[in-house]
Amino acid sequence: AQSVAQPEDQVNVAEGNPLTVKCTYSVSGNPYLFWYVQYPNRGLQFLLKYITGDNLVKGSYGFEAEFNKSQTSFHLKKPSALVSDSALYFCAVRDFRDSNYQLIWGAGTKLIIKP
Amino acid sequence: DTEVTQTPKHLVMGMTNKKSLKCEQHMGHRAMYWYKQKAKKPPELMFVYSYEKLSINESVPSRFSPECPNSSLLNLHLHALQPEDSALYLCASSLVGDPRETQYFGPGTRLLVL
Repeated sequence: AQSVAQPEDQVNVAEGNPLTVKCTYSVSGNPYLFWYVQYPNRGLQFLLKYITGDNLVKGSYGFEAEFNKSQTSFHLKKPSALVSDSALYFCAVRDFRDSNYQLIWGAGTKLIIKP
Repeated sequence: DTEVTQTPKHLVMGMTNKKSLKCEQHMGHRAMYWYKQKAKKPPELMFVYSYEKLSINESVPSRFSPECPNSSLLNLHLHALQPEDSALYLCASSLVGDPRETQYFGPGTRLLVL
């Protein structure tokens, strides 16, 4: 069965420090991986995705994510956190062999950046 | 432009009311989605339209009735809802037929059922 795990309910980081939000996945075929961010009382905003090619993917707002096939991970990173990065982050995966192309979502990680 | 718009932003309705949520996109996407999201939880897929035809219905109660009148518009008609239906309802769209494609979400309608 396909699944996504975000092992941390909450991550606390001081402003200016690097941040990492973890995501691991399980799919039977090659994965397509996505990160979305949700600010309070807002919809989901697309940050970045991994389809193929370079394992380091760059996205919006200075975020990047590293695809690691051997560890089945797709961790979201940013070199220097901003208070405005505080939000709820969701990782999602799609198995390219799934004809419905539905997204399988992680439970979400609340990121808190402290000044 | 990757904008999906939704109206209204907020909606309060009684259990006997009939209301509709609206979603619009002008990106030429032919797949459109309705999701339900409870606070601090991931979105749950409700319906998928592909080329204006309903392709996925995730066993949603009949008090929710989707409609896709054209390739840019998606409606969700609500009738006789229950308090547990209170949630953020999100619309999304994407290109069809390619699992690499990104789903783009609207800002959502926050629904409160009294």
